[in-house]
Amino acid sequence: NAGVMQNPRHLVRRRGQEARLRCSPVKGHSHVYWYRQLPEEGLKFMVYLQKENIIDESGMPKERFSAEFPKEGPSILRIQQVVRGDSAAYFCASSRQVGGNQPQHFGDGTRLSIL
Amino acid sequence: AQSVSQHNHHVILSEAASLELGCNYSYGGTVNLFWYVQYPGQHLQLLLKYFSGDPLVKGIKGFEAEFIKSKFSFNLRKPSVQWSDTAEYFCAVNVGNTDKLIFGTGTRLQVFP
Repeated sequence: NAGVMQNPRHLVRRRGQEARLRCSPVKGHSHVYWYRQLPEEGLKFMVYLQKENIIDESGMPKERFSAEFPKEGPSILRIQQVVRGDSAAYFCASSRQVGGNQPQHFGDGTRLSIL
Repeated sequence: AQSVSQHNHHVILSEAASLELGCNYSYGGTVNLFWYVQYPGQHLQLLLKYFSGDPLVKGIKGFEAEFIKSKFSFNLRKPSVQWSDTAEYFCAVNVGNTDKLIFGTGTRLQVFP
C-alpha cells in the first residue's frame, strides 16, 4: 500500500548546481502538489500539476524553478543554479480528484541543503 | 488573500493534560478545513477534516476539532494527551474549489511523561 514516494530523502548541493526532486504519487492519483517548508515556517504551496499539465504555479518563484508531471514517470521539481536560500524541505502531495474536498496525501519530503 | 493563523507556536504539557490548539483563518466563503500532524522525521498525516455538516469533527487518535463559522476558527482538542502525541500540528484550509492547501505556521507540541 505505497503512499507518496519522494526521493531522495536528503540532497546536498553546492551553490550553482542543479537539484532534481522526484515524486511518485499514490497509485491512482493523478493530481500532484509541491510545497516548500522553510526552517521554522509552515508549508507554502508552490505548484499543482495534473498529468502533462501545470494547473496552478502561483507559488513558484519566477526564476530557476520548474516542475513537470509527465505522462509516464514521477513528477519532477527542478531547481537550477541553487542558492543558500533554497535550503528547505520540499514536500509532495497527491490526491485522487479535484473539487477542493479531497484530502491530500503527503510524502516524507526531500530535505535540500545548499553548501 | 487567504491566511491561516496558529497562535500557539510551542506548547508543553504533561501526560493526561488536556490540549487545545488554536486555528483561525481569513476567508468569508466556503472553506474546507484540515488538521495534519507531523511526527519527528515523518511525513504529514491527516488527523481530521471538515467539509460540511456537523461542525464537531472526530479524528484519529482521540483528536477532535470544532468549526465555529462566526469566529473563523477550527480549534483542535484532545481531552488527555500522551507522550506519543509529541509532534508538530498544522492547520490548513482550501477555499472554494481550489485544491492548494494554505497552512498555518504550525504548533510544536511536547508532552512530558
